[in-house]
Amino acid sequence: EIVLTQSPGTLALSPGERATLSCRASQRLSSTYLAWYQQKPGQAPRLLIYGASSRATGIPDRFSGSGSGTDFTLTISRVEPEDVAVYYCQLVFTFGPGTKVDVK
Amino acid sequence: EVQLLESGGGLVQPGGSLRLSCEASGFTLGNDDMGWVRQAPGKGLEWVSTLSTGTTYYADSVKDRFTISRDNSKNTVSLQMNSLRVEDTGVYFCAMDSGNDAFDVWGQGTRVTVSS
Repeated sequence: EIVLTQSPGTLALSPGERATLSCRASQRLSSTYLAWYQQKPGQAPRLLIYGASSRATGIPDRFSGSGSGTDFTLTISRVEPEDVAVYYCQLVFTFGPGTKVDVK
Repeated sequence: EVQLLESGGGLVQPGGSLRLSCEASGFTLGNDDMGWVRQAPGKGLEWVSTLSTGTTYYADSVKDRFTISRDNSKNTVSLQMNSLRVEDTGVYFCAMDSGNDAFDVWGQGTRVTVSS
């Protein structure tokens, strides 16, 4: 069974700052199956990144993904107030617990 | 516009059954992988089940109780949920993987409450 750990649990930033979100897997699997999602309050999740580093359709280029093996990163180069959300990584079928991003 | 619309949620007693449906509009489901993801109140996302071409996958927590199926004639995917437990309570999202090994289209969710 794959276990995903996300850190930090909460990230509080000012507009324009850089956000670095981590996702660590308990076992090494192909990065083909690593995805990142954004979920805003009261909304369905939205796919941001698939294949560890490919941006989904319509996703701003301030969002980027990287990593391989067991360590993956989602970076928001310059956070905006609209980026307030919980961000989840997913590897194959398993979701991580999420990182909450606050922008003030 | 590509959309998924879930229905069938509601209040059910422990041990009861519900059938969730997910209708695709604006496109034909075809052989795309389809899945269900749930979210308990105030909690994170939990993958429930995926239907790939000819193969079904289930989380251990729902195995032998839930069944996912596809009806291409109705452009729908369903989740039959039996022997429901209090811990099955949550919002159930239908989602599609159009080929990127990730869920890139999501419905808005349907709420399931299991309570006596």
